[in-house]
Parts: sequence; structure tokens; C-alpha cells
Amino acid sequence: DAKTTQPPSMDCAEGRAANLPCNHSTISGNEYVYWYRQIHSQGPQYIIHGLKNNETNEMASLIITEDRKSSTLILPHATLRDTAVYYCIVRETYNNNDMRFGAGTRLTVKP
Amino acid sequence: GAVVSQHPSWVICKSGTSVKIECRSLDFQATTMFWYRQFPKQSLMLMATSNEGSKATYEQGVEKDKFLINHASLTLSTLTVTSAHPEDSSFYICSALWGEQYFGPGTRLTVT
Repeated sequence: DAKTTQPPSMDCAEGRAANLPCNHSTISGNEYVYWYRQIHSQGPQYIIHGLKNNETNEMASLIITEDRKSSTLILPHATLRDTAVYYCIVRETYNNNDMRFGAGTRLTVKP
Repeated sequence: GAVVSQHPSWVICKSGTSVKIECRSLDFQATTMFWYRQFPKQSLMLMATSNEGSKATYEQGVEKDKFLINHASLTLSTLTVTSAHPEDSSFYICSALWGEQYFGPGTRLTVT
């Protein structure tokens, strides 16, 4: 799997958009970008994934650059409950593939 | 849908004893499950891949005789930590593959 680089920590004001960047410059053509988050002492929670098009769901938006070497996860209106470690993972199509977690970004949403 | 449970959620055991952790997919069948370990302030580390009806595949450095994995049905995988030591104290997380990976809530093991 391609490696990813994320900032170790970020702060965000409650109610504002949180933009979490991820670099994956060695991503290959058949690798997806996945985002998970882990709230303290819980299992990881799936957020969103994409291949090359931007994606949006009820939790977040995923913006992938045209060259696919980086992406941004956007939480449009961060709440205190969004405080967590966010993991950006790239991996091949999902059949029988494990997830390899990097260090992630610790997002702290402040009132 | 796609809920994964773990039991117990936390366990304390004495050094030298064995402890079993269960991972269940509640509303789907999973031929493949994964076991992770997470130490405080660290990321998740994959321990092994568990396939229903066959032997688990362990990551390099993970002792297969110490961490016994049994995936006897399409909804249940178990991880048994044998002869536990204090250094085995950790947060153990499983996931089940159903298109995507769905993670359980984790089991905190403390070995005294």
C-alpha cells in the first residue's frame, strides 16, 4: 500500500469547517483513498472513500486532486464530538485487503 | 447495518493466564476478519488476518503460538492471548470485511 503523510494535529473552532489534508504521492492507479476516524478508546469509524472523483456523504466530503497525489477531508460544520484521530489510508480495491494505519491527525474541535 | 461487536469490552487477567476475545459480525457474514493491537498514543497495528475455515495469516513479529486465532464460523472470530504477560496489555480491535472493513469497538486487556 502507498504511504500517506498527515499533519500530527490540528485544531478547529466548533461550527467551522475542518479541512484535514493527506499526501499520498506514490498512490497507484488502482488504489482508493479511505478516511477513518477513531474517537478515544473506540474502534475506528468509516467516514468516506474515493478513487478519483470528489465524494460527499452525510458525514463529510472528500476532495481528491486531479493528479491524485493528495486529498482533503472536509467536515463542513465541526462539532465537539468530531474530536478524534483521523486516518487517511490508501489501498487497492477492497477484496480481502487489510487496512494499514499510519499515525493520523489528531483533530481537536474547540468551543 | 454492518455492525461488529467484541466481547468482552474490557478484561483484567493475571500474568500467566489465557484470555479469549470474541469478534462477531452481527448482521452480515464475513469470511475475512482482521485483528489489530493498539498501544497507548499509538496507531493500530495489524496482527493477523483471519479467514473462515482456514489458518490465520500472522504479520511479521506476531507470535502465532501466543495469539491464537480461530475463525470457526462466518460471524465469529476469536483471539486467545495465551500465557499473558503485562506487556500484552493493550487495546485489541477486530474488523470484519463485507465489501468494506467494519471495526468492532475494541477490547481493553490489562494483565497484572
